[in-house]
Amino acid sequence: EVQLVESGGASIHPGGSLRLSCAASGFTFSRRAMGWVRQIPGKGLEWISGISASGSDRDHADSVKGRFTISRDSSRDTLFLKMDSLRVDDTAIYYCAKYPAFHYRDYYFDSWGRGTLVTVSS
Amino acid sequence: EIVMTQSPATLSVSPGERATLSCRASQGVRSNLAWYQHKPGQSPRLLIYGASTRATGVPVRFSGSGYGTDFTLTISSLQSDDFAVYYCHQYNRWPPGWAFGQGTKLEVK
Repeated sequence: EVQLVESGGASIHPGGSLRLSCAASGFTFSRRAMGWVRQIPGKGLEWISGISASGSDRDHADSVKGRFTISRDSSRDTLFLKMDSLRVDDTAIYYCAKYPAFHYRDYYFDSWGRGTLVTVSS
Repeated sequence: EIVMTQSPATLSVSPGERATLSCRASQGVRSNLAWYQHKPGQSPRLLIYGASTRATGVPVRFSGSGYGTDFTLTISSLQSDDFAVYYCHQYNRWPPGWAFGQGTKLEVK
């Protein structure tokens, strides 16, 4: 059974940094692209970042480009999201999600975690 | 940038009845459309991909249809476990922008 468990969410002041982690199990992590999706309270889902199975390709939404960085460590079956220069409007539940392929373009998510809450407030 | 619009925002249906949820893309996405079910505090669950293919373990009462810009998720006979928020997701266009619709909340009538 695929399991994705996010951690690292916290309450933080604007301008601060956080690193989210996602521990993966139940599949061959090194053979699947991964991504992050967030849900702003009371709103819908926003795709944030994607990374290929090898880690060689990665993309970020314009709303976080230059501030957030997705990465992965296949030796630990773990996905990361480094978040810098956090803003109030980054407050959201952040979900880790798995693609059913090596690359993230042209694919949907076939498994999701339960999410971790990031609150940015002064 | 492509925009996905779901309707209605809230749908009230009685258990045992049929529910029909709509999703419209501002530009054609071929059949590259997925549907997810999301309950509070839980992981979103993939229901449909390729506009009409049920994911593993998804009951046959869930069906998807459509192509291009207009898509439908139908739940043929609502069970108590089906009341949730449903999102559509286009994965045809890159960059994805706002690839997800805003969701339809399916509630008990």
